[in-house]
Amino acid sequence: AQSVAQPEDQVNVAEGNPLTVKCTYSVSGNPYLFWYVQYPNRGLQFLLKYITGDNLVKGSYGFEAEFNKSQTSFHLKKPSALVSDSALYFCAVRVPYSSASKIIFGSGTRLSIRP
Amino acid sequence: GAVVSQHPSWVICKSGTSVKIECRSLDFQATTMFWYRQFPKQSLMLMATSNEGSKATYEQGVEKDKFLINHASLTLSTLTVTSAHPEDSSFYICSARGPIIRRGEYGYTFGSGTRLTVV
Repeated sequence: AQSVAQPEDQVNVAEGNPLTVKCTYSVSGNPYLFWYVQYPNRGLQFLLKYITGDNLVKGSYGFEAEFNKSQTSFHLKKPSALVSDSALYFCAVRVPYSSASKIIFGSGTRLSIRP
Repeated sequence: GAVVSQHPSWVICKSGTSVKIECRSLDFQATTMFWYRQFPKQSLMLMATSNEGSKATYEQGVEKDKFLINHASLTLSTLTVTSAHPEDSSFYICSARGPIIRRGEYGYTFGSGTRLTVV
């Protein structure tokens, strides 16, 4: 079955420190991978995606993610965290070969940046 | 950039009534839209895929007769929660497949969500 796993419910980081939010996936074929951020009572905002090409993908707000095919991972990273980065982050994968190209989401990781 | 407008942003209704939620792509055409449900502190669960001009495809376990989806135009999909019950209270989010980024590749644009409370 196609799935996306985010093993950490919450990640706590001090402002200015690097952050990593983990994501692993299980899909057949070549996946399209995404990261989204959600603020309270809001929809999702797109951060970045990997389709093909360079394994290191750069996205919005200084975030980047590294695609690792052998480890089936797509961890989200940022070199220096800001308090404003505190939010709920979702990793997602587009299901290959699905006629509607539907996306399934991980369980989400709450990122908390302390001043 | 691409915008998907979702309305209303919040609604309170009485048990037994029906509620309609609209999802509209403002500056691009969306032949495919998705409806998600999100429980507090949980992930988004795909409910159904809405295809313009045809019947929606529902995920396993989602009641078709309770969650009516209509995608009558290339820019509008609606979700109607019929005979609402308190357990239907949730955050509902729509997503449109589009706009086209480049040939053969689409983005996914999300609405801002609707908080439904059934009392």
